[in-house]
Amino acid sequence: KQEVTQIPAALSVPEGENLVLNCSFTDSAIYNLQWFRQDPGKGLTSLLLIQSSQREQTSGRLNASLDKSSGRSTLYIAASQPGDSATYLCAVEARYTGANSKLTFGKGITLSVRP
Amino acid sequence: DAGVIQSPRHEVTEMGQEVTLRCKPISGHDYLFWYRQTMMRGLELLIYFNNNVPIDDSGMPEDRFSAKMPNASFSTLKIQPSEPRDSAVYFCASSLWDSPDTQYFGPGTRLTVL
Repeated sequence: KQEVTQIPAALSVPEGENLVLNCSFTDSAIYNLQWFRQDPGKGLTSLLLIQSSQREQTSGRLNASLDKSSGRSTLYIAASQPGDSATYLCAVEARYTGANSKLTFGKGITLSVRP
Repeated sequence: DAGVIQSPRHEVTEMGQEVTLRCKPISGHDYLFWYRQTMMRGLELLIYFNNNVPIDDSGMPEDRFSAKMPNASFSTLKIQPSEPRDSAVYFCASSLWDSPDTQYFGPGTRLTVL
């Protein structure tokens, strides 16, 4: 059974700091990995999706990397801002036969960026 | 598009009562997912539909939970009878047939069972 772990559960940093959020998964046979953002009282918004054949994806100040063999992914946030404060979840997808697909989520890292 | 719509946003009920959560997916989307989020277990997939047909309900915790999708624009998740341990935020998400992994989430329904 796939398990996704995100440690620590919470992180507080001063504005302007570059930071790395970590995600690990137990089964390397994944189809892709996604990073989501969740704001309080809101649903999830997909930030970046990395296919299993890719090593990284970039969007603005965000960069996500994937190392399937070691079962790890990182989300790098450059020059953090208070508006980045949110919970960040990673999720892996294992594609089964018959075109079924399921996302397995980590519990998330709650980030607070202090002005 | 208004995005995925869920109702109610908050529900407080007493143990033993029936609870019905509702979801309207994004128009044209073929996949619909129901998730539950708790502090202890995180976000878990309960069930998902493709073209209104349930594909995988292995995440449904027990027979007290049931989900239906009578048409492409509406789905319900019902809990009968409800228990305090069902208290959680329930999310609905939808996606297109050619990119089921790009899911658009609704705002969620916060359920409290007393």
